[in-house]
Amino acid sequence: DAKTTQPTSMDCAEGRAANLPCNHSTISGNEYVYWYRQIHSQGPQYIIHGLKNNETNEMASLIITEDRKSSTLILPHATLRDTAVYYCIAPGSGGYQKVTFGTGTKLQVIP
Amino acid sequence: ETGVTQTPRHLVMGMTNKKSLKCEQHLGHNAMYWYKQSAKKPLELMFVYNFKEQTENNSVPSRFSPECPNSSHLFLHLHTLQPEDSALYLCASSPRAGDEQFFGPGTRLTVL
Repeated sequence: DAKTTQPTSMDCAEGRAANLPCNHSTISGNEYVYWYRQIHSQGPQYIIHGLKNNETNEMASLIITEDRKSSTLILPHATLRDTAVYYCIAPGSGGYQKVTFGTGTKLQVIP
Repeated sequence: ETGVTQTPRHLVMGMTNKKSLKCEQHLGHNAMYWYKQSAKKPLELMFVYNFKEQTENNSVPSRFSPECPNSSHLFLHLHTLQPEDSALYLCASSPRAGDEQFFGPGTRLTVL
C-alpha cells in the first residue's frame, strides 16, 4: 500500500467548498485512492474512490492529478455535519489488499 | 436490518473474563475486517477475511481470536485482556478485500 500524506487540520466556512489535499507520490499505476471520513466516535464512512479520472458522487468530488501523485477531495458546500476526520488511503494491489489509515485531516466547518 | 451491525455496543470486562464481539453484514459482501481504534490513535487493522479465509493477521496478540463462520458473520473472541486493550473495535465489510469498506458503529470495550 502506498504511503499517503495529509495536513493535520483544516478549517472551512459553512457553505463554502472544502478542498482536502492528499499526497500519494509512491502510488503504483493500478492502485486506487479511497477517501473515508470519521465523525467523532462513529465508524468511518466511505466517501469516494478513483484511479485516474476525476470522480463525483452525491457526497463529494475527487480530483486526481495526471501523474497520480496527489489528489483533492472537494466537498462543494460544507455544512457543520461535515466536521470530521478525513482519511485518504491507497490500499495497494495484488491478491488481497489491506487498508492503512493514517491520522487523516481534521476538518472543522465553522458557522 | 441493513448495513453492518455490531453487538454489543458497549462492553466492560475484567482481565480474566472471556467475551465475544459480533459483527453482521447484510450487504452481500465477501470480505470482513476487524479494526482497533485506541484513544487519539489511528485505526489499526487487526484481521481480514476474504471469502471466509483469513488473509491478514496484523501481528495481533493471541488473546484476540477471530472467527468467520460465513461471509455474513464475524466474531472476535476475547480472553485474558489487558487494560491497554480498551478501545473502540470496529468491524467493516467490502465486496472483496480491498474494495470500499462499510463500517459498523463499533463496540466500545473497557477492560478493568
